[in-house]
Amino acid sequence: VQLVESGGGLVQPGKSLKLSCSASGFTFSTYGMHWIRQAPGKGLEWVAYISSTSGTVYADAVKGRFIISRDNGKNTLYLQLNSLKAEDTAIYYCARSSTEGIDYWGQGVMVTVSS
Amino acid sequence: DIVLTQAPLSVSVTPGESASISCRSSKSLLSSKGITSLYWYLQRPGKSPQLLIYQMSNLASGVPDRFSSSGSETDFTLKISKVETEDVGVYYCGHRLEYPRTFGGGTKLELK
Repeated sequence: VQLVESGGGLVQPGKSLKLSCSASGFTFSTYGMHWIRQAPGKGLEWVAYISSTSGTVYADAVKGRFIISRDNGKNTLYLQLNSLKAEDTAIYYCARSSTEGIDYWGQGVMVTVSS
Repeated sequence: DIVLTQAPLSVSVTPGESASISCRSSKSLLSSKGITSLYWYLQRPGKSPQLLIYQMSNLASGVPDRFSSSGSETDFTLKISKVETEDVGVYYCGHRLEYPRTFGGGTKLELK
């Protein structure tokens, strides 16, 4: 199992960014997937989940601003980040969901929101 | 939202000795299917978190049996016996009972 995030960077407040997570080593289409973030020096914060059938759930902190999606043909998970705020600055991890919990995590991608 | 409270914030252990970490939930984590939805993760310095324990007491694949976990519906303990250098990092508890998923604040394990 391998999860590789990309698309992070420095962005101004109010702007947008799209993260990608390329999955391999398992049948991507049959698993739900999460985005989880970690602000610098802080703990883990769950952001969003998408089921294998593309049902979605969001944390209140990002609801209405972030959009999780997936392309099973490309084995890729996405997170569209809109109306970014300074408090969205974090490492963003994509992670696989199974009955055994969140069992595989990517290496993470840094998003910095600053003017 | 379910609040998970970990203690202590940090623990310093002599290699070869044992360490215990507590996680307390604001709500029962026993699901309607009879599964206790408590998970433990380890984040080594500079690395991504990794799954250690699932459904309260089951070792994830590749995790050494020096790790064990037990508890009730709301109070849980992770025990690490014969601590080794590779065990250094921050331990998090988490649940998958409902949304939003939440995690404890983390417990940092260091070596003396």
